[in-house]
Amino acid sequence: AQSVTQLGSHVSVSEGALVLLRCNYSSSVPPYLFWYVQYPNQGLQLLLKYTTGATLVKGINGFEAEFKKSETSFHLTKPSAHMSDAAEYFCAVSEPQAGTALIFGKGTTLSVSS
Amino acid sequence: KAGVTQTPRYLIKTRGQQVTLSCSPISGHRSVSWYQQTPGQGLQFLFEYFSETQRNKGNFPGRFSGRQFSNSRSEMNVSTLELGDSALYLCASSLQGLDEKLFFGSGTQLSVL
Repeated sequence: AQSVTQLGSHVSVSEGALVLLRCNYSSSVPPYLFWYVQYPNQGLQLLLKYTTGATLVKGINGFEAEFKKSETSFHLTKPSAHMSDAAEYFCAVSEPQAGTALIFGKGTTLSVSS
Repeated sequence: KAGVTQTPRYLIKTRGQQVTLSCSPISGHRSVSWYQQTPGQGLQFLFEYFSETQRNKGNFPGRFSGRQFSNSRSEMNVSTLELGDSALYLCASSLQGLDEKLFFGSGTQLSVL
């Protein structure tokens, strides 16, 4: 069965610092992987997704993530944090070959200080 | 293009009652999925509808049900409400399914007293 683990429910960085949000998954088949962001009182917005092909995926707002099959990871990074990046981030996995539903991690709240 | 619209934005119900939430997807989107978000359990998938048929289902009791109409609008129903059903219920739509980019509504905040 697929599952998603996000390491660290809260991450705090200073403005301009590197952002690293960790996501590990388990899947019995090649997965599709997603990162979503949720701003306060809003729905989720897709940052990026990996399906097949290039393992380094670039998304919106300067974020990127790398699919590492050997480590079963899909960590999200951004070289330089901005105050507007403060939000909750969700990693998600689906197994299209197995026809299973979308599974989300518990989320990581990112705080950015000036 | 209008986004995903969920109504109502807030609901207060008492235990034992039932509730119906509505979701209007982006025009042209045929897949509508529902999620429950709570501080303790996070974001959990309820079910997905495509062309008026339930295509995927999460691990929720039968009290949670849904349907989709021919215009792709979807409703979710929760019967015999329990305190633990208090949550933010999010709806998302996409062209074909869960493997694509999902567009989320702002959610319906349900409080069960």
